[in-house]
Amino acid sequence: QSALTQPPSASGSPGQSVTIPCTGTSSDVGSYNYVSWYQQHPGKAPKLLIYEVTKRPSGVPDRFSGSKSGNTASLIVSGLQAEDEAAYYCSSYAGKNVVLFGGGTTLTVL
Amino acid sequence: EVQLVESGGNLVQPGGSLRLSCAVSGFSVTGNYMYWVRQAPGKGLEWVSVMYGGGTTDYADSVKGRFTISRDGSKNTLNLQMNSLRTEDTAVYYCARGHNWGRGITHGMDVWGQGTTATVSS
Repeated sequence: QSALTQPPSASGSPGQSVTIPCTGTSSDVGSYNYVSWYQQHPGKAPKLLIYEVTKRPSGVPDRFSGSKSGNTASLIVSGLQAEDEAAYYCSSYAGKNVVLFGGGTTLTVL
Repeated sequence: EVQLVESGGNLVQPGGSLRLSCAVSGFSVTGNYMYWVRQAPGKGLEWVSVMYGGGTTDYADSVKGRFTISRDGSKNTLNLQMNSLRTEDTAVYYCARGHNWGRGITHGMDVWGQGTTATVSS
């Protein structure tokens, strides 16, 4: 049960786009379209942003989108806004009831 | 209103036990799949345990054999019994509802509590 790999940090200027990758293996990200993404502001609980690789729950702005290629999933944040500054986590189903999280990426809006 | 409220976190010595509870409102704990997820200080999220609507349970390798997830339908609560605690179990523990968008479960988590802190230290 190894964690998925995310870069520790990412940054962009307001209005720009940023992509956060999440790398797993052929046993998790590569095998299932059950990748989710979460946003967590300091001291707060995580919030679901993306499920099943590309789908957004109601209320999540369409500035947030997801994709997957092979063993790597990505979160794309377009039109960066100051309030997007937060930690972002990916997760993937890994079979046998196991869910793996990434180590998290702190996004800084410059 | 859909809400999860955790309680039970405390300071405990290594080898000790804690029982966490999650009070569920706005939906049935027995009709949904539920998770416990933890976050060590300054660290990322870690899946701990899951209980599916039918009662099937599972655990991360790091807690298997020491933690037990359960639910009480009459009180609409989710619980986590934590035994043989280690210093590395120190974390904020969140309960979360498994996401289901009508076409099946997604293994994501769409409703989270505010968390309760368990500190294991001598």
